[in-house]
Amino acid sequence: DIQMTQSPSILSASVGDRVTITCRASQNIWTSVAWYQQKPGKAPKLLIFKASTLESGVPSRFSASGSGTEFSLTISSLQPDDFATYYCQQYYSHSTFGQGTKVEIK
Amino acid sequence: EVQLLGSGGGLVQPGESLKLSCATSGFTFRNYAMSWVRQAPGKGLEWVSAISGSGSFTYYADSVKGRLTISRDNSKDTLYLQMNSLRAEDTAVYYCAKDWRDCDSPQCPYYFDSWGQGTLVTVSS
Repeated sequence: DIQMTQSPSILSASVGDRVTITCRASQNIWTSVAWYQQKPGKAPKLLIFKASTLESGVPSRFSASGSGTEFSLTISSLQPDDFATYYCQQYYSHSTFGQGTKVEIK
Repeated sequence: EVQLLGSGGGLVQPGESLKLSCATSGFTFRNYAMSWVRQAPGKGLEWVSAISGSGSFTYYADSVKGRLTISRDNSKDTLYLQMNSLRAEDTAVYYCAKDWRDCDSPQCPYYFDSWGQGTLVTVSS
């Protein structure tokens, strides 16, 4: 099984900050990565697919990059609505999620 | 508008069975693979099972293989998860999720562009 190691687990930041979350795959998964945002008590929401493609309707302050085994999600200027938990997902071989990164208010 | 409405969760004892449903609307159901993804209390997301658009191909995480069975009724636009021999570690919110496309065996799922609201399954004596 492919493991997805996500870091950090918790990220404390302020409104306006630039934040980056990383995900490392246990083997080459090319660009088969998606990123999701989840708020408490809600279903996850797709942000990014194919490692760097922004889902329709997602604000442009979200961006992502990577290929092979190293991937990252960046929020260029953190907004109040962005405080949430973020997950990476590989879909190269079935599916595995990272452990999640909680972005909290500093 | 795509809508996914999960139901069927509840409190069951270890060893018992439960069947979850996910009623869908707003898209051509038979053209898309569907999955179940679960989230234990306070934990992360875990993909559980997927099914191709026709229902011909099914896929399972090792942790549930042999105990959970995914199925679909394309005449009713509804996805199911039959859960047998339930264990305490199966306690979670179960989300149904729509794939962005149908699946090509052997790879399934891909990524999920729509999710249901989740239904809570609690396994406890």
